[in-house]
Amino acid sequence: EAGVAQSPRYKIIEKRQSVAFWCNPISGHATLYWYQQILGQGPKLLIQFQNNGVVDDSQLPKDRFSAERLKGVDSTLKIQPAKLEDSAVYLCASSSLQDRAYEQYFGPGTRLTVT
Amino acid sequence: AQKVTQAQTEISVVEKEDVTLDCVYETRDTTYYLFWYKQPPSGELVFLIRRNSFDEQNEISGRYSWNFQKSTSSFNFTITASQVVDSAVYFCALSEESMGGANSKLTFGKGITLSVRP
Repeated sequence: EAGVAQSPRYKIIEKRQSVAFWCNPISGHATLYWYQQILGQGPKLLIQFQNNGVVDDSQLPKDRFSAERLKGVDSTLKIQPAKLEDSAVYLCASSSLQDRAYEQYFGPGTRLTVT
Repeated sequence: AQKVTQAQTEISVVEKEDVTLDCVYETRDTTYYLFWYKQPPSGELVFLIRRNSFDEQNEISGRYSWNFQKSTSSFNFTITASQVVDSAVYFCALSEESMGGANSKLTFGKGITLSVRP
């Protein structure tokens, strides 16, 4: 079974530029999560989708971050314009609604550096 | 609101020593799940264990063991006879039963950096 795929793995941009990250969850997983992990901290949830609907985006900075999950499969997370404090690893995870224990499977992450 | 506290930030041991990583959690839910993840230098989060709030049995898996105590809201992780390959950041996390059947988000602690020296 293929795992969660993310691209790109690394991205360096200047502040005020825009950037987009892509995630392909495990096949059949209805729930998809985007987490932000700042260096030295644990991951923090940005947004959670169930199929193509948003379940939780309470911690998403909506003035600059946006995310979509068209057709309930792949997802894209965008930052526009980027700030220095957005430097972090962006992790995508997915889980199955059939798994009541809510086990989440994580991708390798995208490391973003904003200069 | 749910919260996970990992008071230890960095631990350094010599190979073959035993080491315990502490985790304390806060939640108002009666049904919840606790997790430990390992994050090696490669960056990917590796699932280690999941416990639900109704199962307080301790668990052992090879050199790893977990001690879940609801009375103290703790879910501690012990590595016996540590090895250099155990060097990583370890995260404790909590998820709660959410309404509507949607899978619940994970709330992570800040992580513990474990260094095992040869």
